[in-house]
Amino acid sequence: EVQLLESGGGLVQPGGSLRLSCAASGFTFSSYAMSWVRQAPGKGLEWVSAISGSGGSTYYADSVKGRFTISRDNSKNTLYLQMNSLRAEDTAVYYCAKLYCSSTSCYGMDVWGQGTTVTVSS
Amino acid sequence: DIQMTQSPSSVSASVGDRVTITCRASQGISSWLAWYQQKPGKAPKLLIYAASSLQSGVPSRFSGSGSGTDFTLTISSLQPEDFATYYCQQANSFPPTFGPGTKVDIK
Repeated sequence: EVQLLESGGGLVQPGGSLRLSCAASGFTFSSYAMSWVRQAPGKGLEWVSAISGSGGSTYYADSVKGRFTISRDNSKNTLYLQMNSLRAEDTAVYYCAKLYCSSTSCYGMDVWGQGTTVTVSS
Repeated sequence: DIQMTQSPSSVSASVGDRVTITCRASQGISSWLAWYQQKPGKAPKLLIYAASSLQSGVPSRFSGSGSGTDFTLTISSLQPEDFATYYCQQANSFPPTFGPGTKVDIK
């Protein structure tokens, strides 16, 4: 069964750091680009970051650029999101998602984890 | 960035009703559009990709259409399990952007 399982969320003070993990199973992890998407309480979906299958290419939303770092360890089938300089507006449920791509194009996100909650508050 | 809008923001409907949700992109995105369903407390689920292609395992009462800037998601006969929030997402260019969502609730 294809599965993604996030961990690492919690309560952190403004300016603090947190590292999220996403453990993948049931598919060839290294063959797929991956993303992080977040959802603030009562709000819609916001794409945060993406990384290619090899890890050689990374992409960020302007709202997190310079503060968040996406990475992956294909030997451990695990995706990461290092979050620094956290702000109250980063409070959200963070989902990891597998990108649904052909050899040339990506169409959306076809597998999602259950989400992990990050709360930034003093 | 490409901005996505959806209408209506919410719709009240009954089981068996036909429901149509519209999504509009701020610039042309060809057919690079996906639709997701999200139930409270759950992760989004991919329903439609490439504007009109049904994701594996998704019931055929869901269909998508459109290209360029205007798209629709149609539920032909609403079922109890379809009450949820629906989001469109453009996959034409980075950053991928989502619409604000359309909540389908019980009339």
